[in-house]
Amino acid sequence: AQTVTQSQPEMSVQEAETVTLSCTYDTSESDYYLFWYKQPPSRQMILVIRQEAYKQQNATENRFSVNFQKAAKSFSLKISDSQLGDAAMYFCAPQNRDDKIIFGKGTRLHILP
Amino acid sequence: GAGVSQSPSNKVTEKGKDVELRCDPISGHTALYWYRQRLGQGLEFLIYFQGNSAPDKSGLPSDRFSAERTGESVSTLTIQRTQQEDSAVYLCASSLSTGGPQETQYFGPGTRLLVL
Repeated sequence: AQTVTQSQPEMSVQEAETVTLSCTYDTSESDYYLFWYKQPPSRQMILVIRQEAYKQQNATENRFSVNFQKAAKSFSLKISDSQLGDAAMYFCAPQNRDDKIIFGKGTRLHILP
Repeated sequence: GAGVSQSPSNKVTEKGKDVELRCDPISGHTALYWYRQRLGQGLEFLIYFQGNSAPDKSGLPSDRFSAERTGESVSTLTIQRTQQEDSAVYLCASSLSTGGPQETQYFGPGTRLLVL
């Protein structure tokens, strides 16, 4: 079974600075997907970024990018030019092909003005 | 509708009562998940439906919890004889399929359950 670890329960970053959220996971599969989801105070879960494990190139979405290290089973999220609206709970979520997605316990990100 | 909807948005009940929570997934989405999220905590997987396959019930915390789904449409999560520790937000999510690039989960706004 898959497991996922987010070792930082809370983080803070100054507005306009860059922050990296860490995530490690364990899987015996070679074909899987990795996701970062964001949950702001509104409670609505939103997909931030997605990575297919067979792709070597790191995914990017505007100010959000990942550092995917397949051998190390690491999938960190980098947020550049942090904005107040980035304050939220961030969940790392791996998913084996043909299996259910697994969510980490989350990292609460605070943006300091 | 354009997204996943859940009803009710809030539910207050007395200990020992039964409650039913409803989820309407995005049309055409074959996979449907239920999660529980206690205050300030992460998502706790409850149950997963995929098409006509037998549901994965491995996350249900007790036999007081059950869920049904009719085909690829609406799902109901039932909690019998509610306890105070059942108080949480119950989130539903749907996705197009498993194992493909369309794996993005679309979440509903959740139902906040308070058991007095």
